[in-house]
Amino acid sequence: GESVGLHLPTLSVQEGDNSIINCAYSNSASDYFIWYKQESGKGPQFIIDIRSNMDKRQGQRVTVLLNKTVKHLSLQIAATQPGDSAVYFCAENSGGSNYKLTFGKGTLLTVNP
Amino acid sequence: GAGVSQSPRYKVAKRGQDVALRCDPISGHVSLFWYQQALGQGPEFLTYFQNEAQLDKSGLPSDRFFAERPEGSVSTLKIQRTQQEDSAVYLCASSSVTRPVVGSYNEQFFGPGTRLTVL
Repeated sequence: GESVGLHLPTLSVQEGDNSIINCAYSNSASDYFIWYKQESGKGPQFIIDIRSNMDKRQGQRVTVLLNKTVKHLSLQIAATQPGDSAVYFCAENSGGSNYKLTFGKGTLLTVNP
Repeated sequence: GAGVSQSPRYKVAKRGQDVALRCDPISGHVSLFWYQQALGQGPEFLTYFQNEAQLDKSGLPSDRFFAERPEGSVSTLKIQRTQQEDSAVYLCASSSVTRPVVGSYNEQFFGPGTRLTVL
C-alpha cells in the first residue's frame, strides 16, 4: 500500500553541526513532497517542498534532496541550532491527489548546545 | 487572528461521551482539513472541505465521526460515543486556494490541535 516512512526515529546532533533526516516513500504517483517541523504542543509547520520533477531544492539553511530511483527523500539542515529541535515529518500528496497528504512517522531531532 | 485556532486545546472525555472540537481557519481560507495524530505518529487525513462542501470524508474512521462547516468558515469535528482508541491530537489546517492545482503544493497552515483523552 501507499506509505511514507523514516529510517531513523531519533537524531541527536551538536549545535552547529549539519543534520540529515531521511525518508523513504513508496508511491511513485506523488507529485510533490513536503517537510514539516512540529514542536511540542504545536501543529506542523511547513519547511520546504519539492516537486517530483526536481532532485534538489534549497531554502534558508535547509536543502531537500529527492531520489526518485530509490524513492528516497532527505532534509539537510545546515548549522543546526537549538531552535531546530523538533519532530520532522515528510509528507507526500497521496496518489497524486491535489489536497490529501500522507505523512511519515517522524524523526525527533535533538540539538545539544 | 493570525493563524488557525482550535478549541478546546485539551479535552478529557469519559468513554461513551460525545465531544465537539472547533476549528477557526485563517480568515478567507477556502479549504479546510482535519487530521488525526496518534501519539508518536504522523498526522492522518480525516476529511476535507472546500467552503461549506465536504468533498472528501474518506479518512473518517467510523460513522461516529462527523464534521461540518455550515457557513464555509468555522468547522466542528464531532465524535459520538467516544472510545479509548479515539484518544489523539486532532489537527485542523486551512489553505487559501480556491481550486487546488494538481502537481503544486498548496500550503496547508495547521492549528495547534486539540488533545483528546478518552478515559
